[in-house]
Amino acid sequence: GENVEQHPSTLSVQEGDSAVIKCTYSDSASNYFPWYKQELGKGPQLIIDIRSNVGEKKDQRIAVTLNKTAKHFSLHITETQPEDSAVYFCAATFQAAGNKLTFGGGTRVLVKP
Amino acid sequence: NAGVTQTPKFRILKIGQSMTLQCTQDMNHNYMYWYRQDPGMGLKLIYYSVGAGITDKGEVPNGYNVSRSTTEDFPLRLELAAPSQTSVYFCASSAGTGRPYEQYFGPGTRLTVT
Repeated sequence: GENVEQHPSTLSVQEGDSAVIKCTYSDSASNYFPWYKQELGKGPQLIIDIRSNVGEKKDQRIAVTLNKTAKHFSLHITETQPEDSAVYFCAATFQAAGNKLTFGGGTRVLVKP
Repeated sequence: NAGVTQTPKFRILKIGQSMTLQCTQDMNHNYMYWYRQDPGMGLKLIYYSVGAGITDKGEVPNGYNVSRSTTEDFPLRLELAAPSQTSVYFCASSAGTGRPYEQYFGPGTRLTVT
C-alpha cells in the first residue's frame, strides 16, 4: 500500500519567517495530495490540496508544490503568525483505494512571537 | 449544518469492557472513515465505508467492528477493550463524487483504557 513520510516532526520558527514541511510518497499512482491542519483538541481540517496534474498551488500565505518524478510534495507557509501554530499532516491517495487517505506522521509547528 | 459529530467526547473504560463510539454526518456523504491517532503520531485508518451496507477494513482493524445501516451513521464498536486501544478516535466523511477525496473530520473521542 501507500506509504507517506513527513519531515520534520517538529518545527520552530520566528513570527514572520517561513516554514516548509516536506513529504514523500511511495505509490506512483497517487494523484491527490491534501494538507491538513490540526489545532489542539480538534479534528484535522483541510487547508490546501493539489492534484497530480498541477505542479504548484497557492492560497494567500500557504502554497504547495508537487514533484511527481521525485514523488515528493511540500507545504510552504510564508509570513508565519502565532495562529499558524498547530500540527500539520500531509496525505496521499489514489482512486483505486476507495478514496482512502494515507497520512504522514505529522509536523508540530510552533511560531514564536 | 453540523458536519460530522462524534459522541462521547471522552470515555474511560476498564480492560475487557465494550463500548460504541457514535459518528453522524449530515452532508449526505457516501464515504465514511474511522481513524485512530496515538500520541505524537499520525492517523491510522481502522475501517471505512463507501455506502450504506458496505464496510471494509483499513490498516488497523483488529479489536474493532463497524456497521453502516444508514448514510448518516457509522458507529465503531470496541469489544473487550485493551490498553493498546487508548487513543483519540476520529470519524470522517467525504462525498465520493465531485471532490471525492476531501475528508471532513469530527472533533474526536478521547478514549482511555485502564
